[in-house]
Amino acid sequence: VTLLEQNPRWRLVPRGQAVNLRCILKNSQYPWMSWYQQDLQKQLQWLFTLRSPGDKEVKSLPGADYLATRVTDTELRLQVANMSQGRTLYCTCSGTGALVNQDTQYFGPGTRLLVL
Amino acid sequence: GEQVEQLPSILRVQEGSSASINCTYENSASNYFPWYKQEPGENPKLIIDIRSNMERKQTQGLIVLLDKKAKRFSLHITDTQPGDSAMYFCAASADSGYNKLTFGKGTVLLVSP
Repeated sequence: VTLLEQNPRWRLVPRGQAVNLRCILKNSQYPWMSWYQQDLQKQLQWLFTLRSPGDKEVKSLPGADYLATRVTDTELRLQVANMSQGRTLYCTCSGTGALVNQDTQYFGPGTRLLVL
Repeated sequence: GEQVEQLPSILRVQEGSSASINCTYENSASNYFPWYKQEPGENPKLIIDIRSNMERKQTQGLIVLLDKKAKRFSLHITDTQPGDSAMYFCAASADSGYNKLTFGKGTVLLVSP
């Protein structure tokens, strides 16, 4: 059963242009949503965890700037700007600890970004 | 923060033999240790995990061992098959940041017939 949908699945990004990504949660039993990046060397790195609608966070990492927003209980967004190297962004979800474990995280299908 | 070291980076085994991947962590507060398998072009998929109240866990040809004193945990794949060829990642997290997984750099497992 698919827990997460991500779109777009891939995008060519002209250098200097920002791109907006979406992640949709399909099962409300896993409300903790996070973003991870995977770089070209396959290294996985946590970016953000946002639980409540209205939560926003920003972060700058080598090669990209990020703005994450929890829009609704089921939608998480990520704006990627100033990207100089390609990467894949994964959305994850985990439970509340009531019916499902809080620490177990499941990955969405990912959005692959390539720099033009 | 946490740092996780994973070795080896590449592991070549013959079909039917076992494969072992080792990880160490630094933060003694870490209490959750998952393992993910990632095939080319796919997302990471959870294959097994262990929590700090256990020392060993086994499921479907996979064994995970946890040594909290040494801050070390390992994945053992018994009777490897070509379908086990993939990249494997270990990770660690602590209660205080249970949604923040810190990953090792990954191990490419190649199982030859």
